[in-house]
Amino acid sequence: DAMVIQNPRYQVTQFGKPVTLSCSQTLNHNVMYWYQQKSSQAPKLLFHYYDKDFNNEADTPDNFQSRRPNTSFCFLDIRSPGLGDAAMYLCATSTRTGGYNSPLHFGNGTRLTVT
Amino acid sequence: DQQVKQNSPSLSVQEGRISILNCDYTNSMFDYFLWYKKYPAEGPTFLISISSIKDKNEDGRFTVFLNKSAKHLSLHIVPSQPGDSAVYFCAAPTPLTSGTYKYIFGTGTRLKVLA
Repeated sequence: DAMVIQNPRYQVTQFGKPVTLSCSQTLNHNVMYWYQQKSSQAPKLLFHYYDKDFNNEADTPDNFQSRRPNTSFCFLDIRSPGLGDAAMYLCATSTRTGGYNSPLHFGNGTRLTVT
Repeated sequence: DQQVKQNSPSLSVQEGRISILNCDYTNSMFDYFLWYKKYPAEGPTFLISISSIKDKNEDGRFTVFLNKSAKHLSLHIVPSQPGDSAVYFCAAPTPLTSGTYKYIFGTGTRLKVLA
């Protein structure tokens, strides 16, 4: 089945220790998104790629970076995680040309714990 | 500014009865809405959508109603089943300069269907 896969499912890192989360997709979608969701809050968009074009949200901290080496893979790098970065990180894909009729397809998320 | 609001964090309903989940929005430019369902330890999955040119969309047990003048939409589940127990998110896409869309989510409503 075509899908969005996130690894690892659970990640524990120490305060200030860089961490990378990964996302892969077999849907061949040209848009990939990274959302951050904290407990009882709405998922919040961090950035997205349309093909290789990177688009940062204005309020995404500089501590967060992303890489998309090819259509299938996308990485979220947190350079110096703080306690406030503990959250569920959701990767999602869609097709730009689908417009409104192309809902997001999510992975199962990576739950990040910062100790 | 929370443009999509779900004011009920949780809802409990008896099996077989109707579940009504509500969503309000503030941005009158929104013209399409989606509902996502999320089970624990899984990513959100698309459930049903509605365009602003309609006031109702039905898919099996799920119906979404849109009241544009009130900036309000609701998801009805009839009859409710224990397997419907999940967190439900309301979302609205807004266009980005990249040519794709940013999906703005509500904080979710946790539905529990009691057997």
